[in-house]
Amino acid sequence: AQSVTQLDSQVPVFEEAPVELRCNYSSSVSVYLFWYVQYPNQGLQLLLKYLSGSTLVKGINGFEAEFNKSQTSFHLRKPSVHISDTAEYFCAVRPFGNEKLTFGTGTRLTIIP
Amino acid sequence: AAGVIQSPRHLIKEKRETATLKCYPIPRHDTVYWYQQGPGQDPQFLISFYEKMQSDKGSIPDRFSAQQFSDYHSELNMSSLELGDSALYFCASTLPGGRERNEQFFGPGTRLTVL
Repeated sequence: AQSVTQLDSQVPVFEEAPVELRCNYSSSVSVYLFWYVQYPNQGLQLLLKYLSGSTLVKGINGFEAEFNKSQTSFHLRKPSVHISDTAEYFCAVRPFGNEKLTFGTGTRLTIIP
Repeated sequence: AAGVIQSPRHLIKEKRETATLKCYPIPRHDTVYWYQQGPGQDPQFLISFYEKMQSDKGSIPDRFSAQQFSDYHSELNMSSLELGDSALYFCASTLPGGRERNEQFFGPGTRLTVL
């Protein structure tokens, strides 16, 4: 079985400041890793994914994440946030050979003007 | 670009009633997934279909059933509704081939409220 831990349920950040949203996972098998964003009253949109290769992956809207296998982490970062980044962010894993996503409990990112 | 369509977007039902949620995947997508997101919670996988056959099953109550039709759209049928069924129900679809590596494209969700 897999589990995903997002340590911070809420993260307030000043506009134009950097942000890091933390994600750790547990799995007995290798997994693919994903970050999704959910804007208010909307569905989930893929920000980025790690399947293989370079451990630093870049996504949409200036976000990037680094896969660290030894620490079983996949933290999401952005060097300078904007008001429009206010949303809920979900880290998710999918084990090799399986299709279903297991999500973390989400981190609500609030941008302070 | 075409997206996943879900209908209705909002649904209000009373306890013990039934509900049917519909999902229309992106054209050429042959795999459909259903997720349930309770208030303030993370999405939980319910069930998936590939080429009209159930491919995986998660924490779906026995009161719920689902199927995928020949045009690849899917319906989630929920009976004997309970207050705890109030949630946002997402449908996602994937391109054929290499499903585990492909992105799941999510629809906007159906918000079900059980009174």
